Amino acid sequence: AQTVTQSQPEMSVQEAETVTLSCTYDTSENNYYLFWYKQPPSRQMILVIRQEAYKQQNATENRFSVNFQKAAKSFSLKISDSQLGDTAMYFCASGTSYGKLTFGQGTILTVHP
Amino acid sequence: ETGVTQSPTHLIKTRGQQVTLRCSSQSGHNTVSWYQQALGQGPQFIFQYYREEENGRGNFPPRFSGLQFPNYSSELNVNALELDDSALYLCASSLGQGSSPLHFGNGTRLTVT
Repeated sequence: AQTVTQSQPEMSVQEAETVTLSCTYDTSENNYYLFWYKQPPSRQMILVIRQEAYKQQNATENRFSVNFQKAAKSFSLKISDSQLGDTAMYFCASGTSYGKLTFGQGTILTVHP
Repeated sequence: ETGVTQSPTHLIKTRGQQVTLRCSSQSGHNTVSWYQQALGQGPQFIFQYYREEENGRGNFPPRFSGLQFPNYSSELNVNALELDDSALYLCASSLGQGSSPLHFGNGTRLTVT
């Protein structure tokens, strides 16, 4: 069984600043995937960034990057140059395939002008 | 390109009743995954359908059942509704059995009274 833990229920950041969201996970699998999803008030889950566990290089997508520490089972998300549109609930997720995911409890991120 | 659409958007049912939720997958996608998201929680995997066959199931009782049709649209059926079934039900489509990202719909909000 897989578990995902997000220890920060809420975070806030000023516009244009940098914020890091934490995530730890536990799995007995050797091959797995890790994801960060964003859920704005519209309710639609949007993929922010993904990481294949066999890749050592940290994934980056424009202003979003991850710090993947496989031995520590840690997968944090860094958002640079925060924008008002980044305000949302962020979920960390893991799975052995893209479709069958285990999600964390979420972190509410508020970006202040 | 048509995205994932779910119907209805909101639904109110009485305990003991049955409900059917519908999902049209994104054009070209042949896999549908269903998730239950209780208020303030992360989504939980219910089951996945690939080419009309169930392809994995989470920790949900048999009164949660599903179908996938030849056009790859899908239904989620819940019998004998309980108050704890009140949640946002998310449908996501993808291509193949596990190596392509999920595309989520906006969900159906089910309230059981």
